[in-house]
Amino acid sequence: GQQVMQIPQYQHVQEGEDFTTYCNSSTTLSNIQWYKQRPGGHPVFLIQLVKSGEVKKQKRLTFQFGEAKKNSSLHITATQTTDVGTYFCAGPMGYKFYFGSGTKLNVKP
Amino acid sequence: ETGVTQSPTHLIKTRGQQVTLRCSSQSGHNTVSWYQQALGQGPQFIFQYYREEENGRGNFPPRFSGLQFPNYSSELNVNALELDDSALYLCASSFKLSGEVHEQFFGPGTRLTVL
Repeated sequence: GQQVMQIPQYQHVQEGEDFTTYCNSSTTLSNIQWYKQRPGGHPVFLIQLVKSGEVKKQKRLTFQFGEAKKNSSLHITATQTTDVGTYFCAGPMGYKFYFGSGTKLNVKP
Repeated sequence: ETGVTQSPTHLIKTRGQQVTLRCSSQSGHNTVSWYQQALGQGPQFIFQYYREEENGRGNFPPRFSGLQFPNYSSELNVNALELDDSALYLCASSFKLSGEVHEQFFGPGTRLTVL
């Protein structure tokens, strides 16, 4: 079954609105990574979170790792058209690496 | 650009054929992972190679096999192709030390179509 779940599947926002995607794992993760994939492109690494409760910021992006290390979120403040793409969370389980199903973000100018 | 290259970029095969996809990892990286990404889905982990040995495998049948070479480049081989094997195949390179997980740098992918 699906090891890493993400919601929502799609999000359409007006430019300037905020956006959040949520990631839940069936098991505790040693760390979680976030990637962005533009249409027609390949996943690009954004960030890695390791510590329980960790919060990291990259300009308008805020990443959180849950206290139980089973969930994570990515929040984008004041979206721009350049934020368009699919955002994936991913984490290791043993010697395997699982990606979530992704949240596809569309930003209307 | 990540420095990870894949070849070919596109490939069309028929059912039952065999295919070999290639990946050159980023300089300094010792680990290569292969993923299958169907349209509209997240990448699915096929397997990972670390220091020339398979080091983790996803839920893919044995007809999916791989190799990693001393220069850390890698190949993905798929035998007896099926229609459902049509997908984007992504290679990701990373540096692994003492089991720690590090960021993965993805190549542009190979788009495989099986007719």
